[in-house]
Amino acid sequence: NAGVTQTPKFRILKIGQSMTLQCAQDMNHNYMYWYRQDPGMGLKLIYYSVGAGITDKGEVPNGYNVSRSTTEDFPLRLELAAPSQTSVYFCASSYSSPTPGELFFGEGSRLTVL
Amino acid sequence: AQSVTQLGSHVSVSEGALVLLRCNYSSSVPPYLFWYVQYPNQGLQLLLKYTTGATLVKGINGFEAEFKKSETSFHLTKPSAHMSDAAEYFCAVSSGTYKYIFGTGTRLKVLA
Repeated sequence: NAGVTQTPKFRILKIGQSMTLQCAQDMNHNYMYWYRQDPGMGLKLIYYSVGAGITDKGEVPNGYNVSRSTTEDFPLRLELAAPSQTSVYFCASSYSSPTPGELFFGEGSRLTVL
Repeated sequence: AQSVTQLGSHVSVSEGALVLLRCNYSSSVPPYLFWYVQYPNQGLQLLLKYTTGATLVKGINGFEAEFKKSETSFHLTKPSAHMSDAAEYFCAVSSGTYKYIFGTGTRLKVLA
């Protein structure tokens, strides 16, 4: 079972470039999330989705976009990359339940913007 | 609004000593509380969670946490530290809306 798969693992971008971080899960989870992790700051929620076709903003959505056309995939798009977007990005998923369930995380994508 | 405060960004303990990592939360509704562990260059994985019921929660690798409503705390403990426990630990809270708020993390160092 692959779980949550993120690609690429590492990427260097120049200021102003764009890219997409890919995330796929094979657990048939309804809920998917994108977080960014910065040293000493914990994890901040960028966007989340409660099902295919439904997305919503988290705490720090500016400079990012998402789409959810299938249950499995939840790509994160960075438009016009800025140095402030240098971070480690984690995709996560969870199952539907009456109470908040366990988050399953990918291994992360380390992005550097120069 | 919900928030999580983890006291101590770095904690060092000797191998075999008690591990105590502190987490306090703020929530206007009954919270759901979680502890996650992150090993170097990996994603986070669940250690334990509190939803309802018993306030003392046991997790993997010998860790446990106690929900204390009066103190708004959910501290993580382990009686005897092992070298393999060296990692970063995150406390998280959810109100049930499927959004999770994470603390800033505590890096645990285990000394031989």
